[in-house]
Amino acid sequence: DGGITQSPKYLFRKEGQNVTLSCEQNLNHDAMYWYRQDPGQGLRLIYYSQIVNDFQKGDIAEGYSVSREKKESFPLTVTSAQKNPTAFYLCATSYGAQGAEAFFGQGTRLTVV
Amino acid sequence: GENVEQHPSTLSVQEGDSAVIKCTYSDSASNYFPWYKQELGKGPQLIIDIRSNVGEKKDQRIAVTLNKTAKHFSLHITETQPEDSAVYFCAAPLHMRFGAGTRLTVKP
Repeated sequence: DGGITQSPKYLFRKEGQNVTLSCEQNLNHDAMYWYRQDPGQGLRLIYYSQIVNDFQKGDIAEGYSVSREKKESFPLTVTSAQKNPTAFYLCATSYGAQGAEAFFGQGTRLTVV
Repeated sequence: GENVEQHPSTLSVQEGDSAVIKCTYSDSASNYFPWYKQELGKGPQLIIDIRSNVGEKKDQRIAVTLNKTAKHFSLHITETQPEDSAVYFCAAPLHMRFGAGTRLTVKP
């Protein structure tokens, strides 16, 4: 069953704790992305990776970190430096780096209490 | 990143009416123009796209039109149905950015 798996679907953390969101894909896509979505808002780009062992900051990278050690995996860590981490996080992939359809996971809803 | 502006932010129509959502982009190098639909609690999914070498593309009740001179492309939904109610996003894949989204409500 091909696709993008984000886990967990819901995540609760205490303020001040780091938390890592998982994104795994078996589509053999080179490019992977992380977006943040707040209620009633659009998608804001956090980080993206066009190839293994390389990634770039998006528009709102502060307080987040990523790694791309394997083509299939692009985990996102929400650090304690992120001032308002409660949000819906979406992982996406695309076949090419640019100009191609994006495929999205089902998202992880993070709530920090 | 590229500036992508999407209008309107909300749109309410009566079932059977048409809906039009417009997206304006800034990078003239863009050559791929997609529209995505996001249902509640899920990730967006591609519903239609167009390449810069054509001006219009249709798929049953949905269509996308492109005006490269004016740098905008539009999503057209005809004969709207309640299941069309969702949030729609345009994108500028050249820079991996999305519009702010349009919440479409189709009233029965």
